[in-house]
Amino acid sequence: RKEVEQDPGPFNVPEGATVAFNCTYSNSASQSFFWYRQDCRKEPKLLMSVYSSGNEDGRFTAQLNRASQYISLLIRDSKLSDSATYLCVVNIASWGKLQFGAGTQVVVTP
Amino acid sequence: DADVTQTPRNRITKTGKRIMLECSQTKGHDRMYWYRQDPGLGLRLIYYSFDVKDINKGEISDGYSVSRQAQAKFSLSLESAIPNQTALYFCATSEVGAYNEQFFGPGTRLTVL
Repeated sequence: RKEVEQDPGPFNVPEGATVAFNCTYSNSASQSFFWYRQDCRKEPKLLMSVYSSGNEDGRFTAQLNRASQYISLLIRDSKLSDSATYLCVVNIASWGKLQFGAGTQVVVTP
Repeated sequence: DADVTQTPRNRITKTGKRIMLECSQTKGHDRMYWYRQDPGLGLRLIYYSFDVKDINKGEISDGYSVSRQAQAKFSLSLESAIPNQTALYFCATSEVGAYNEQFFGPGTRLTVL
């Protein structure tokens, strides 16, 4: 079983719609959680950290469910520029080792 | 200028050749990492370094070696390249701590024929 699992998608989303997707992780000792964004084989970039209470950054909302070991990302009012692959990333060691999911592809259509 | 740079950006080589990928950073971070990315798989850690004198193997270090020449430079070598090392390679840096963002270079696309 992979340590971090994501639905690869693609999630095809009309512009202006809302899309949400989850990521599950297997290591219950994981300490911190992130969503990174990756455009077409370019470098991943941090989208947002995920806090225990859930957090929002503009149109993006991330939530953490430790009991069920998943994190979620919701994108409201989708823009064409939101088309990308979203990587779920989990810190699995005290020194900061990151475990990456394979990514969820989102395609926003006009 | 980019904070994390990688050279070369693309490389095609033949089986058995020695290849070096280089990474430089201007962020002043102590920690540096090498990852590879393959289609359908997440980024996988090859090696990481906490400072110039500290080198650690990641989950897929076989067939690779690294050198931390300075705080700002971390190179990855494939001593004898093989086709299944064809992948996208990323260098990353971070500050000390478990909650800090990793900053990635633009990647090197390596093809081993």
